[in-house]
Formats: sequence, structure tokens, C-alpha cells
Amino acid sequence: AQSVAQPEDQVNVAEGNPLTVKCTYSVSGNPYLFWYVQYPNRGLQFLLKYITGDNLVKGSYGFEAEFNKSQTSFHLKKPSALVSDSALYFCAVRDDTGNQFYFGTGTSLTVIP
Amino acid sequence: GAGVSQSPSNKVTEKGKDVELRCDPISGHTALYWYRQSLGQGLEFLIYFQGNSAPDKSGLPSDRFSAERTGGSVSTLTIQRTQQEDSAVYLCASSSGLARFETQYFGPGTRLLVL
Repeated sequence: AQSVAQPEDQVNVAEGNPLTVKCTYSVSGNPYLFWYVQYPNRGLQFLLKYITGDNLVKGSYGFEAEFNKSQTSFHLKKPSALVSDSALYFCAVRDDTGNQFYFGTGTSLTVIP
Repeated sequence: GAGVSQSPSNKVTEKGKDVELRCDPISGHTALYWYRQSLGQGLEFLIYFQGNSAPDKSGLPSDRFSAERTGGSVSTLTIQRTQQEDSAVYLCASSSGLARFETQYFGPGTRLLVL
């Protein structure tokens, strides 16, 4: 069955430090992987996606993610966290066989000044 | 250009009443999705429309839920005989529909509270 796991409900990091938000997935076919961010009382905003090619994907606001096929992971990273990065982050996957996008349960990121 | 819009932004209703939620996708987008987001939960897929194809209704939780998409554009999600467990944020998203890896763009959501 297709699924996405975000093992950490909450991640806290000090401003200026690197951050990582973890995501692992399970799909039948080739995966298309996405990260979205949700600010309070807002819809989801697209950050980046992996389709094929380079395993390191760069996206909006300085975020990047690394696709690791052997570990079925797609962790979100940023070299230096900002207080304004504090939000809820969702990982999502779709494969090349079905209609649905599968979302993780979200990770709440808090960047401490 | 304009993004995905949803209305109303908030809806409070009494148990047993019917509600209609509206989604206006980005112009030209052929794919449209409805999701439900409950507190502490991820996004739960409800239904998917792609062009003139039959919708994928596999995520609808019960026969009280239905959705239509008229003219390939605006969509309405209807919940009949609402229950308290229907309280959630209902999100709509659209994409160009050209490929499976096309990005979804989300609306701000409708926050539904069933008393």
C-alpha cells in the first residue's frame, strides 16, 4: 500500500542552525515526492518536488531535499533556519500508477530565536 | 494570476443539516482534488476530478459525501446530514493535469464546525 511517514510530530531548532524534517515513503511504482508548508490558517504552499534525475532538489525559501531510493526517504533540509520557517510541513508522494497523493501527518517546526 | 479560492472560509452548522463547500480552481487546470484535514491528522484524500473523466471517489468516507464539478471548473463538495465528526478543514487543490508529477496548488480551505 502507498503511504508516507513523518516520524517526528515536532522539531525544534535554534535560529541559524541547520534543520532536517524527515520523510519516508512506500509506493508501488516510481515515486513523485513533494514537500509543502502550511502557515497558520493558510492553505498548503508548494516548496519543492522530486520527479527524476538529481537526487538533491532545491526549492523555495532556501529549502532542499534529498531523494534516497535505497532508504525510501525524502528528508527536507535547510542549512540555516530562520524564525519565519516555523510552520507545519507536509511530505507527499504519488506514484506513476494511481490518482491519489498520499500525505504524511505533518511535522511542526519551531525555530527558536 | 488568481490562485485557488474556496468559500465559505468558515462554516458553522448544526448536526443533521446539509452543507455545500465551493472550490474555484486555477483557470485552465483540469485536475481538481478535495481533501479533509482534521486536527493532528494529515490530509485525507476525498475525491479527484480529471477533465471529463469519471471522478475517483474512492476517498469519500460515506454516502453522505458527494461532489460535483460543473463545466470542468468550479466544484462543490456536499455533506448531507452532517455529524460532529465531519468537523475539519476541507481543502481543495488543482493542477494542470498534464502529468502525474504536476504540482498541486491549494486553496485556503473551509473550516467546518458541526455543533
